[in-house]
Amino acid sequence: AQTVTQSQPEMSVQEAETVTLSCTYDTSESDYYLFWYKQPPSRQMILVIRQEAYKQQNATENRFSVNFQKAAKSFSLKISDSQLGDAAMYFCAYRSNNDMRFGAGTRLTVKP
Amino acid sequence: NAGVTQTPKFRVLKTGQSMTLLCAQDMNHEYMYWYRQDPGMGLRLIHYSVGEGTTAKGEVPDGYNVSRLKKQNFLLGLESAAPSQTSVYFCASSNLLAVLDTQYFGPGTRLTVL
Repeated sequence: AQTVTQSQPEMSVQEAETVTLSCTYDTSESDYYLFWYKQPPSRQMILVIRQEAYKQQNATENRFSVNFQKAAKSFSLKISDSQLGDAAMYFCAYRSNNDMRFGAGTRLTVKP
Repeated sequence: NAGVTQTPKFRVLKTGQSMTLLCAQDMNHEYMYWYRQDPGMGLRLIHYSVGEGTTAKGEVPDGYNVSRLKKQNFLLGLESAAPSQTSVYFCASSNLLAVLDTQYFGPGTRLTVL
């Protein structure tokens, strides 16, 4: 079965600095998608960034970027110029066909 | 455009009681999903639907039933609630096109089973 592992239960970053959240996954599929979701205290899951496995170029969305290492099955999220509003739980997720798996999450604290 | 909505937001049940959670989406999405979120475990897929009138089991389907009678609605039922079903439940929907397979989530329902 596919698994997603986030090895950092908690991380903190100073406002305006950069932080990287780690994610590794295990799969035998060749075609899949990877996601990072943000979950603020409101509990709603918000898509941060998406990466298609067939694309070698790393996805970027404004201050958010990923480091996708397909051979190593690694998918880390980098948040640049951290803002107080970035504080939340971050979930890494994997999807192939109708199989969707989430990691256990990393709680990010942003210090002013 | 409300996106994905869930009712109720909170519910407390006694063991053995039944209830239905309602998910509605107004984006004309084909796919709909039900997840549960437990502390330290991330989200786990309970059931999903690839279209009106169809449902399929996910990772943790036992103790739950679902129905998709209308394209915009996806119902999750608990016939005989157990304390192990205490969790936060999320509904999501997505477009049929796999290349734009972004899931849109509802705000969640916190269910406590005593």
